[in-house]
Amino acid sequence: GENVEQHPSTLSVQEGDSAVIKCTYSDSASNYFPWYKQELGKRPQLIIDIRSNVGEKKDQRIAVTLNKTAKHFSLHITETQPEDSAVYFCAAAYFGNEKLTFGTGTRLTIIP
Amino acid sequence: GAVVSQHPSWVICKSGTSVKIECRSLDFQATTMFWYRQFPKQSLMLMATSNEGSKATYEQGVEKDKFLINHASLTLSTLTVTSAHPEDSSFYICSARVRGADEKLFFGSGTQLSVL
Repeated sequence: GENVEQHPSTLSVQEGDSAVIKCTYSDSASNYFPWYKQELGKRPQLIIDIRSNVGEKKDQRIAVTLNKTAKHFSLHITETQPEDSAVYFCAAAYFGNEKLTFGTGTRLTIIP
Repeated sequence: GAVVSQHPSWVICKSGTSVKIECRSLDFQATTMFWYRQFPKQSLMLMATSNEGSKATYEQGVEKDKFLINHASLTLSTLTVTSAHPEDSSFYICSARVRGADEKLFFGSGTQLSVL
């Protein structure tokens, strides 16, 4: 089955700086890679996703890059703000299967 | 985005009792829903895939007689934790797929189960 590794487990960034979270996956058949943001005690919220037919996707301050050959993808948050503080999870799936395999999560703290 | 409603948001029960958790898709039909559990400071682990009108598919290591799943309609899936024990205490979250050209998964609000 799919195995997703996520690094780092914790990340502290000064407000206004950029944050990068990286994930690797094992199953070359996976072709859908969403990122979720989860605040304490709340549901995961989809913030951005990418399919394997593109290498990069951007939505305002958030971007995701994908390297299919190396089987890794990354979340980039620019101009970080205190409200970006949360736990972020990457995931991988074969599109149409929807069985997401989640990474272990990254606790991002934005320092004012 | 699509709305997935989950109820209750938290429940405390005595050891040995059963607890039912509901997951509803409010503005779309979901032929497939997924049930996850999440321990504190850990990732989401898929427990089972709930299929409307058929038996659920359980992940390896998940006891189907312990975690009963019913998906009787296109908008409702239920998870019943039977004979709950303290080790079943966890955050349970459902998700549902929104079909279309841009298929996505949306999550319910989660249920915090505490078994005394």
